[in-house]
Amino acid sequence: AQTVTQSQPEMSVQEAETVTLSCTYDTSESDYYLFWYKQPPSRQMILVIRQEAYKQQNATENRFSVNFQKAAKSFSLKISDSQLGDAAMYFCAYRSRSGTASKLTFGTGTRLQVTL
Amino acid sequence: GAVVSQHPSRVICKSGTSVKIECRSLDFQATTMFWYRQFPKQSLMLMATSNEGSKATYEQGVEKDKFLINHASLTLSTLTVTSAHPEDSSFYICSAKSGTGSHYGYTFGSGTRLTVV
Repeated sequence: AQTVTQSQPEMSVQEAETVTLSCTYDTSESDYYLFWYKQPPSRQMILVIRQEAYKQQNATENRFSVNFQKAAKSFSLKISDSQLGDAAMYFCAYRSRSGTASKLTFGTGTRLQVTL
Repeated sequence: GAVVSQHPSRVICKSGTSVKIECRSLDFQATTMFWYRQFPKQSLMLMATSNEGSKATYEQGVEKDKFLINHASLTLSTLTVTSAHPEDSSFYICSAKSGTGSHYGYTFGSGTRLTVV
């Protein structure tokens, strides 16, 4: 079974600064997807970024980028130019590529605070 | 983009009664829906996976007779908490598979806060 570990329960960053959230995972599969989801106080889950394991290039979405290290099974999220609206819970998640509707396995989450 | 509407957003029910939570995919057909439970300051715990027209597949430790899931159409899945007790109070979230092929995604509902008194 796959596991996802987020070792930082809470992180804090000043507005306009950069912060990196860590995520490691364990799997015996070679092909899979990794995700970062954001859950603001509204509790709505929002997809931040997705990485396909077979792609070596790190995914980027505007101010959000990942550092995907497949051999190390590491998948960190970098938020640049942090904004107050970035404050939320961030969940790292894994999905197998096999199957027609594989479930997501979530990490325990990191609460990000953004300060002025 | 794909939207999943979840209702109600909040519900309070008396202990021993049942409550139904609905999730509708508004602009796509959701062949598969996932139901999660989230305790305060914790991660999402998958309860069950439902495929349209089939019985739901429950995760280990989830009581299928207490948490009834129906996925009778491609746009509607329901979770019924039967004989609710205070320990069932939680935040419930649905998620629908959107897209086709291997690049499908997941669209989440906005969640339902259930309080059993």
